[in-house]
Amino acid sequence: DTGVSQDPRHKITKRGQNVTFRCDPISEHNRLYWYRQTLGQGPEFLTYFQNEAQLEKSRLLSDRFSAERPKGSFSTLEIQRTEQGDSAMYLCASSPGGGPSNQPQHFGDGTRLSIL
Amino acid sequence: AQSVTQLDSHVSVSEGTPVLLRCNYSSSYSPSLFWYVQHPNKGLQLLLKYTSAATLVKGINGFEAEFKKSETSFHLTKPSAHMSDAAEYFCVVTSLTGGGNKLTFGTGTQLKVEL
Repeated sequence: DTGVSQDPRHKITKRGQNVTFRCDPISEHNRLYWYRQTLGQGPEFLTYFQNEAQLEKSRLLSDRFSAERPKGSFSTLEIQRTEQGDSAMYLCASSPGGGPSNQPQHFGDGTRLSIL
Repeated sequence: AQSVTQLDSHVSVSEGTPVLLRCNYSSSYSPSLFWYVQHPNKGLQLLLKYTSAATLVKGINGFEAEFKKSETSFHLTKPSAHMSDAAEYFCVVTSLTGGGNKLTFGTGTQLKVEL
């Protein structure tokens, strides 16, 4: 069990640029979640995948955001035309499938995005 | 909708003294509740979980929490604080979504441990 891996750890970009983050979940986990955490706040749910299917998207996920999990393994989160308000920590989590739906989620260390 | 309220944004204790971090929840059905800890610039680590079994839940690093339905509370305690416990702690409630569970976090409690 190597844990949830996120890449990059830090990303600094200019406003208006596109960015993409990657998340590799724990290998046997088929549920994958994305959260966003702004300074001084708790994480907020963005979206959820069961295998390759994106089953829920938060209203926080504007049209500039898109997430994919093409083969049901790793996932990417892309932000187009970044804005100052996108500066945050983006966290990925995974949990096993096939059992109770309230199984704990295992988090990666996050990608910290800073918009100049 | 499910929600949690963490009653203290900051708690400061001396090393070796008890820790109490308070959390109240709101849920339209029997909730699943968790406590997570976050050290600076790191992800979240699960401390313990309540899923309608025993109301007193023991977690890692000597932490435990008691689910009290009558008070809608899920406070986190530890008998003796250690310097390494200094971190941010989040109380979390789940809501079901399409077969998975969406976590709703409290605003966090920053724990400071002094010598």
